[in-house]
Amino acid sequence: AQKVTQAQTEISVVEKEDVTLDCVYETRDTTYYLFWYKQPPSGELVFLIRRNSFDEQNEISGRYSWNFQKSTSSFNFTITASQVVDSAVYFCALSEVGTGNQFYFGTGTSLTVIP
Amino acid sequence: DTEVTQTPKHLVMGMTNKKSLKCEQHMGHRAMYWYKQKAKKPPELMFVYSYEKLSINESVPSRFSPECPNSSLLNLHLHALQPEDSALYLCASSLTTSGGLKQETQYFGPGTRLLVL
Repeated sequence: AQKVTQAQTEISVVEKEDVTLDCVYETRDTTYYLFWYKQPPSGELVFLIRRNSFDEQNEISGRYSWNFQKSTSSFNFTITASQVVDSAVYFCALSEVGTGNQFYFGTGTSLTVIP
Repeated sequence: DTEVTQTPKHLVMGMTNKKSLKCEQHMGHRAMYWYKQKAKKPPELMFVYSYEKLSINESVPSRFSPECPNSSLLNLHLHALQPEDSALYLCASSLTTSGGLKQETQYFGPGTRLLVL
C-alpha cells in the first residue's frame, strides 16, 4: 500500500496565483516525521520542512506555508504568490520510527508556474 | 552548511565498463544513502550506511557495489550495467539513521545522471 499519496500529478498556475499541493499519508505509528522536498530541473532534492507527529502547528516561511492535520492524515503545502522559480517537482515523504530513517516518498507533484 | 557533493555530474558508460560515483559531505553526518531515480518517479532507496557500515541493502543487483571508506565519503562502484540502469543517482546524508524517537532530515546532493549504452 502506498504510504504517501500525492494525488496531483501535475499542476499549472499563472504567476502570482496561490497553489496548494496535497499530501496524504498512512501510518499506524504515533510517532513519525513528515518532510517536503523540492526538486528543480537541475535534479537536486532541496529540503523544505520537517514536521513531527506531535507538532500540529502550522508553519509559515516566507511565501511557503504548511498545514498539518492529523485528523485527516494530511500535510499540505501552499505557495502564496507563486513565481516562475517555484516550478519544480515537489515530494512529500514520511519517515517512521524504527525504520532506520527510511523515507517513504510520494510520487511527486510537478508544478509549472506560467509567467 | 548543508552541502553534499557528487561527482561526476554526468556519466556515459558502456555495458562492459567499470566506473565509480563519488559522494562527499563535511557536515559530520554518520549516515549516508544512495538512491536511484528514474524520470518522473520518486527516488528509490538502494543502500544505507550507518557509521561506515552497510545497514540497508534494498535487494540491489550486485553490479552496484557501495563502499564507505570513511564517514565523509561514499562511493558507488558500477560494473556491467544494463541500459535500464540509466537514471539519476542521488546521494544523501543525515546526522544518524535515527536516534530513539527522532527521525533525521536527509540532505541530498545534486546527483549524477548516468546513461548506459
